[in-house]
Amino acid sequence: RKEVEQDPGPFNVPEGATVAFNCTYSNSASQSFFWYRQDCRKEPKLLMSVYSSGNEDGRFTAQLNRASQYISLLIRDSKLSDSATYLCVVGGGQNFVFGPGTRLSVLP
Amino acid sequence: GAVVSQHPSRVICKSGTSVKIECRSLDFQATTMFWYRQFPKQSLMLMATSNEGSKATYEQGVEKDKFLINHASLTLSTLTVTSAHPEDSSFYICSARGGGGEFLNEQYFGPGTRLTVT
Repeated sequence: RKEVEQDPGPFNVPEGATVAFNCTYSNSASQSFFWYRQDCRKEPKLLMSVYSSGNEDGRFTAQLNRASQYISLLIRDSKLSDSATYLCVVGGGQNFVFGPGTRLSVLP
Repeated sequence: GAVVSQHPSRVICKSGTSVKIECRSLDFQATTMFWYRQFPKQSLMLMATSNEGSKATYEQGVEKDKFLINHASLTLSTLTVTSAHPEDSSFYICSARGGGGEFLNEQYFGPGTRLTVT
């Protein structure tokens, strides 16, 4: 089993749709959780950290379920500019493990 | 957010030559830097982790004698691809993590270096 797994995608959704991504991790000792977005041929950029209590930033909501070892990202009212690959990142100590990413295409 | 730069952004070299890529943290001290490689349509793969002043820790399957990493200061790490071959052509991305405060847990990525070996 891979350390970090994500929905395979791609997700093709119309503008304004709500879309949710899931990510599961295998290392129960993991302490840090993040969502990054990566545009084609660019470096990943931090979208948001994921806290135990969950967190929301505008249209984006991230949640963590430690018992089930999964993280989710919800995007509401999706925009064309949200089209990207979303990477789940799980860290423990010095190591950060990236998920394979889920590609989102928001269509006009 | 923190700024990490990489140089060069793009390099084309001939097979058998060596290429050095620099990664700099511009506004914070990076106690740990990471080097990743990403092939087209694939995920980021961690190659090695380097801590300032000590030897890098390489991931399984990454040849330490081929990918030389030097983290000589708190703001600079270099990756040298020695005797490059076409299969080394990839997108190389560094990231940096600071020693404390707001920079402690998050990784900040450089813009990446696209290496093409002909």
